[in-house]
Amino acid sequence: SQQGEEDPQALSIQEGENATMNCSYKTSINNLQWYRQNSGRGLVHLILIRSNEREKHSGRLRVTLDTSKKSSSLLITASRAADTASYFCATASNAGNNRKLIWGLGTSLAVNP
Amino acid sequence: DGGITQSPKYLFRKEGQNVTLSCEQNLNHDAMYWYRQDPGQGLRLIYYSQIVNDFQKGDIAEGYSVSREKKESFPLTVTSAQKNPTAFYLCASSTLTAYQETQYFGPGTRLLVL
Repeated sequence: SQQGEEDPQALSIQEGENATMNCSYKTSINNLQWYRQNSGRGLVHLILIRSNEREKHSGRLRVTLDTSKKSSSLLITASRAADTASYFCATASNAGNNRKLIWGLGTSLAVNP
Repeated sequence: DGGITQSPKYLFRKEGQNVTLSCEQNLNHDAMYWYRQDPGQGLRLIYYSQIVNDFQKGDIAEGYSVSREKKESFPLTVTSAQKNPTAFYLCASSTLTAYQETQYFGPGTRLLVL
């Protein structure tokens, strides 16, 4: 079942602006991951943040995690047209031997040149 | 090149026909997964495997079957029992650690019904 929820469902911004998308989840997690999917392609892993971490950076990406609110945000700074894609969050349970990621429905980002 | 490949890119199925989607990885990953993605939707897990000759049903296994005879390969068969097979199918693999880590995805196969 899908437990992650991203918002907004769709986001349209101008090149150079920052894009923020949020993810909420319901169960206790070991880690939360963000992936990008270009249209008609496979998913690409962007960043993984563990439950004991609050913030993580990778290039123009900044991810925060608030386990008390069961939420995460992905910030893309200085966006480019090439950032146009769908972005998904996925959570990994902290229950032992659970190999499944729980996926959100995604945020569709359009960066206009 | 290390990676995960899927074939074919497009697949057409006739009514009552079984079709098989290929997934191969050379990342030496123990775990492999099959997902279904419908337009504008997230990923739904069909089957996953943690070790050769073993696999578990995901959330939507009905109408699908898999095998894991080799570590590198995890083919998915869409059977005639799957009444709405039109979708984008994604295969993924990952290392096997205490908790679920990063999954690496193939390029996907789009299945269409004639």
